[in-house]
Amino acid sequence: RKEVEQDPGPFNVPEGATVAFNCTYSNSASQSFFWYRQDCRKEPKLLMSVYSSGNEDGRFTAQLNRASQYISLLIRDSKLSDSATYLCVVTRAAGNKLTFGGGTRVLVKP
Amino acid sequence: EPEVTQTPSHQVTQMGQEVILRCVPISNHLYFYWYRQILGQKVEFLVSFYNNEISEKSEIFDDQFSVERPDGSNFTLKIRSTKLEDSAMYFCASTAGQAGQPQHFGDGTRLSIL
Repeated sequence: RKEVEQDPGPFNVPEGATVAFNCTYSNSASQSFFWYRQDCRKEPKLLMSVYSSGNEDGRFTAQLNRASQYISLLIRDSKLSDSATYLCVVTRAAGNKLTFGGGTRVLVKP
Repeated sequence: EPEVTQTPSHQVTQMGQEVILRCVPISNHLYFYWYRQILGQKVEFLVSFYNNEISEKSEIFDDQFSVERPDGSNFTLKIRSTKLEDSAMYFCASTAGQAGQPQHFGDGTRLSIL
């Protein structure tokens, strides 16, 4: 089983719509969780950290379910600039390596 | 906002040659990393470095690879004898290391082995 699994997509989303997708992780010892975004042939950039109680940053909402070992990301009012690959990332502890999922590709269309 | 910088942005090298990829992490960060991403694949961990020594390495990081922090600012990845399969984007990252703090990535070096 892969350590971090994501639906590769693509998710084709009309501009202004809402899109949501999940990832699952296998290591129950994982402690910190993040969503990064990656544009084509660019570096991963932090989108948001994911907290146990769930958290929101503008149009983005992240949820964590430790019991089921999944993380979700919801994007409201999608913009064309949201088109990217969204990477689910977990780590066991502060300073430890990041483990990446394969990414979920989102295409926002006019 | 401080950022991680990497040089060169693109390196083309003949198979069997040595390459050195350079990174300048964010200045108050204590943990440094190298990751790679083969085209079309996921980002993979190579090595982490803390307190002037390797703290963890993956099975990819064999004896052809080495890292060094030669001074207070640079962090380098050396590949001694490159292979075709070393062609990838190589990303350097750093973090202060407190719980929950994310790693910040440089914009990468594209390594092409001919």
